[in-house]
Amino acid sequence: EPEVTQTPSHQVTQMGQEVILRCVPISNHLYFYWYRQILGQKVEFLVSFYNNEISEKSEIFDDQFSVERPDGSNFTLKIRSTKLEDSAMYFCASNQGGTGNEKLFFGSGTQLSVL
Amino acid sequence: GESVGLHLPTLSVQEGDNSIINCAYSNSASDYFIWYKQESGKGPQFIIDIRSNMDKRQGQRVTVLLNKTVKHLSLQIAATQPGDSAVYFCAETFRRALTFGSGTRLQVQP
Repeated sequence: EPEVTQTPSHQVTQMGQEVILRCVPISNHLYFYWYRQILGQKVEFLVSFYNNEISEKSEIFDDQFSVERPDGSNFTLKIRSTKLEDSAMYFCASNQGGTGNEKLFFGSGTQLSVL
Repeated sequence: GESVGLHLPTLSVQEGDNSIINCAYSNSASDYFIWYKQESGKGPQFIIDIRSNMDKRQGQRVTVLLNKTVKHLSLQIAATQPGDSAVYFCAETFRRALTFGSGTRLQVQP
């Protein structure tokens, strides 16, 4: 079964550094998403992306965050200057979109630790 | 603001019993709901979904019930097994943004 893959599985960085989290969505999917989950808390929506532009974003997704689809397969989340509170598990997800195809498929996540 | 929440943070059941996990939602405009299962260290895994024009949907050992009158969603797991132990999240979709509830931990006792 096709799956969403994320790399790396763990990322440790110093506060103030830039990080890029990488995702390969399922190949025939058109909508891509980033979510995050702080330890012990619920999964929170960050951003959705379709047709090479952001379609929805949450209040969490401020100017320090950006997303990009640099080629036909990768979908990246960049945090420009990491803060301690950015430490979380970051999940990439994708779906085909449209009525009847809303089911999101999630990757296994990247655990980001900001020191 | 609108929110999705769960009634019980932890549910403990005996192996073989049926489990019922509840969820309250407050966004009356949400039109699609999903239950996800999350095991430790893994991403959310789809279990079952339901559209707002339905009130019940069955899968393999799982049933989702939707009561739009009281904005309530439930997940029923028949003959609960040890492998069902996980955190279960309900989620609602509005404008292509999936909003998760806070989760219920299901513990299956042998």
